[in-house]
Amino acid sequence: DAGVIQSPRHEVTEMGQEVTLRCKPISGHDYLFWYRQTMMRGLELLIYFNNNVPIDDSGMPEDRFSAKMPNASFSTLKIQPSEPRDSAVYFCASTEDRGNSPLHFGNGTRLTVT
Amino acid sequence: DAKTTQPNSMESNEEEPVHLPCNHSTISGTDYIHWYRQLPSQGPEYVIHGLTSNVNNRMASLAIAEDRKSSTLILHRATLRDAAVYYCILRAKGGGADGLTFGKGTHLIIQP
Repeated sequence: DAGVIQSPRHEVTEMGQEVTLRCKPISGHDYLFWYRQTMMRGLELLIYFNNNVPIDDSGMPEDRFSAKMPNASFSTLKIQPSEPRDSAVYFCASTEDRGNSPLHFGNGTRLTVT
Repeated sequence: DAKTTQPNSMESNEEEPVHLPCNHSTISGTDYIHWYRQLPSQGPEYVIHGLTSNVNNRMASLAIAEDRKSSTLILHRATLRDAAVYYCILRAKGGGADGLTFGKGTHLIIQP
């Protein structure tokens, strides 16, 4: 299995532009999570999906952020418009629908907004 | 959520055992103790988890205190590749339905 795949690996954009981050979870995993990591705040859970349905988006910082999961093998996190304070590493993770199954993380997308 | 307390950093020598402590004095009876690590420029990686009994796997061992208020992750023979941030996380039983809450973790430095 290739693991959780995220793209792009790096993204540099200017303030005000739209940014779309992509994630392919491990096949057969029912849960998908989006995290953000910064030096100041560490790893923060933004949103998670179960069977493609958003369950908890209380960690999404503001309306500029949106996430979708159109099918079991693909999810996007969109920021529109982007701001310099959105600069961070964004991780996607997936897990099976079994209690205490480990989360499997991708290698992240490093976003820089200038 | 019950919280965990870890030292900010620890240093060890290559090929020696490493004991990473974690305090979780407010742990509930149904909380599992999970450990993840994050290597530089990578996403977090699952290491091990346990409830009451000590656990071993190919990566590490987990020693859980009898009162469950603390635990220790043991790397039996550290290599340079084990240099990472190690996170101790409490997770409710049946916790597949929510994400993990990460603290600051312990930054493990391995000296050659």
